[in-house]
Amino acid sequence: DSGVTQTPKHLITATGQRVTLRCSPRSGDLSVYWYQQSLDQGLQFLIQYYNGEERAKGNILERFSAQQFPDLHSELNLSSLELGDSALYFCASSSDRDRTLSSGNTIYFGEGSWLTVV
Amino acid sequence: GENVEQHPSTLSVQEGDSAVIKCTYSDSASNYFPWYKQELGKGPQLIIDIRSNVGEKKDQRIAVTLNKTAKHFSLHITETQPEDSAVYFCAASGGIGGNKLTFGTGTQLKVEL
Repeated sequence: DSGVTQTPKHLITATGQRVTLRCSPRSGDLSVYWYQQSLDQGLQFLIQYYNGEERAKGNILERFSAQQFPDLHSELNLSSLELGDSALYFCASSSDRDRTLSSGNTIYFGEGSWLTVV
Repeated sequence: GENVEQHPSTLSVQEGDSAVIKCTYSDSASNYFPWYKQELGKGPQLIIDIRSNVGEKKDQRIAVTLNKTAKHFSLHITETQPEDSAVYFCAASGGIGGNKLTFGTGTQLKVEL
């Protein structure tokens, strides 16, 4: 158990709909990352938040948005869903308490949220 | 940005044999290289990592080597067991992309009895 909790584990929804995926990071971790995993694209970085603020942005579609709340949990919102959005969405977290460190903090992954768009 | 290439995409070995998975990265400023194991239906699990100030690291049957000059790093699993069967991902971070991880495309390892 990595300590990163994601809900829901499975979700089936129709095209055009909107869903929210939720993530609770490991206790004390300040950074939250969202990754998308599909069969043909591997693990793709979407976005990172650090202590409530957006820190890095990857290949995240405009239809997707995320936020990190004061209690450090995070939500990934996916709207106007298309069939191609079907994937496994992972949340990950790392401590990053030493802000002089630009990398090297161990990143722990949750078990993922399976999204199927029909 | 960073680009990580991983080979082979599939690897089949006999139980007890060694397995080697290789990755190359493009950003010479990257300085952190973890390896993750992903079992079916589960999230990636960190199994070993190495930082750029170290050339080799070992943890029981698993070892990782890093060649900064050539910008490649490798995962070595000795005395493979059936429970080692999974998908393995290499990753890199610390360069221009900060501490987000850029992943390789994965290696499906199958350990046969």
